[in-house]
Amino acid sequence: GNSVTQMEGPVTLSEEAFLTINCTYTATGYPSLFWYVQYPGEGLQLLLKATKADDKGSNKGFEATYRKETTSFHLEKGSVQVSDSAVYFCALSDTYGNNRLAFGKGNQVVVIP
Amino acid sequence: DTEVTQTPKHLVMGMTNKKSLKCEQHMGHRAMYWYKQKAKKPPELMFVYSYEKLSINESVPSRFSPECPNSSLLNLHLHALQPEDSALYLCASRQGSGKPGANVLTFGAGSRLTVL
Repeated sequence: GNSVTQMEGPVTLSEEAFLTINCTYTATGYPSLFWYVQYPGEGLQLLLKATKADDKGSNKGFEATYRKETTSFHLEKGSVQVSDSAVYFCALSDTYGNNRLAFGKGNQVVVIP
Repeated sequence: DTEVTQTPKHLVMGMTNKKSLKCEQHMGHRAMYWYKQKAKKPPELMFVYSYEKLSINESVPSRFSPECPNSSLLNLHLHALQPEDSALYLCASRQGSGKPGANVLTFGAGSRLTVL
């Protein structure tokens, strides 16, 4: 079945540092890929998405490119702010029926001033 | 209106209580979802309604009972819960299949449930 793997462990970095969170997936067919962000005490917000190979999703300075050859969708931001501190979930959706979302385990990102 | 609204934000209940969580959206979405999220974990799918019919029940215990009165509303009725059911309950919705954005879920802020 479909699955998503995110790198283990929290990510702690200083303000203005470069952020990368790795995400790889296993899926049949042609899934859509997403990054969701969850700020403390809140629900999930869609950060960006890509629906086909080589698509680049971008929002709020974050980017991720749908790489079918490496089955990856890594999240990057060139210069993080304290306000980017949150949990980031990579997810994929199949293209059939109920569009089930398969989530990765999530990565806690802590940005230190 | 581009939001999914969940009420209440917080709920504390005893194991013998009956309570309900409510979810509402006015985006014309035709699929609605309940997820359960434990601390530091990803959301786990519980139920999916598609065009007001239950289409997925992920083997959820019967003490959780979903209801979809109309295309804008989704309820989760709670009865005889256990302390381990304490979690953040998230509602989500999306467009009907075949429509633009049909694969994008919009989440509510969640209802944080504590079972004593």
